[in-house]
Amino acid sequence: SQTIHQWPATLVQPVGSPLSLECTVEGTSNPNLYWYRQAAGRGLQLLFYSVGIGQISSEVPQNLSASRPQDRQFILSSKKLLLSDSGFYLCAWSPRGTDTQYFGPGTRLTVL
Amino acid sequence: GENVEQHPSTLSVQEGDSAVIKCTYSDSASNYFPWYKQELGKRPQLIIDIRSNVGEKKDQRIAVTLNKTAKHFSLHITETQPEDSAVYFCAASDLTYNTDKLIFGTGTRLQVFP
Repeated sequence: SQTIHQWPATLVQPVGSPLSLECTVEGTSNPNLYWYRQAAGRGLQLLFYSVGIGQISSEVPQNLSASRPQDRQFILSSKKLLLSDSGFYLCAWSPRGTDTQYFGPGTRLTVL
Repeated sequence: GENVEQHPSTLSVQEGDSAVIKCTYSDSASNYFPWYKQELGKRPQLIIDIRSNVGEKKDQRIAVTLNKTAKHFSLHITETQPEDSAVYFCAASDLTYNTDKLIFGTGTRLQVFP
């Protein structure tokens, strides 16, 4: 069966510091991968999605970037965090060619 | 692109009553409509979905109905229980540029009082 992992689970970072969040999927190949952000008490904002290694589409221009160095690995990064980057970051995957998405456990990021 | 509106934003019901959450979508080409349940501090979990070739789907106490003509779909929860308390999100497939993206509604906070 398929499993999606995210780490770290929680993170507290100062403003201006860099960020690296990792997501990996097990038990499948060639998945579509997604990064979402959820502000406290709010909905799901799609940040990036990827249909293959090195293929990243950005949904919202901001100080975040994403990379997919391996088929089942998706990384979210920032060079300098802003206070507004605080939130619950969710990685999701879907089988290639389908639209059913499954979410990872999330990373709760607090920028102070 | 697709746009999804969800109502109500909050819903309070007595245990045992039914709850209905409604969503409307804008793109008539959308063909997939999932519902997710998110408990406090947890990930969204897929609870039921429906495709455009079906008008209704049921799984125990939850059901989803789809009206393609009116471009709206609804989640029905019967015999609600306190553990149904959560935020529920609807979504619709976004077929713009032939991507496998979902467009989510803004969520409904359901509270079930014992």
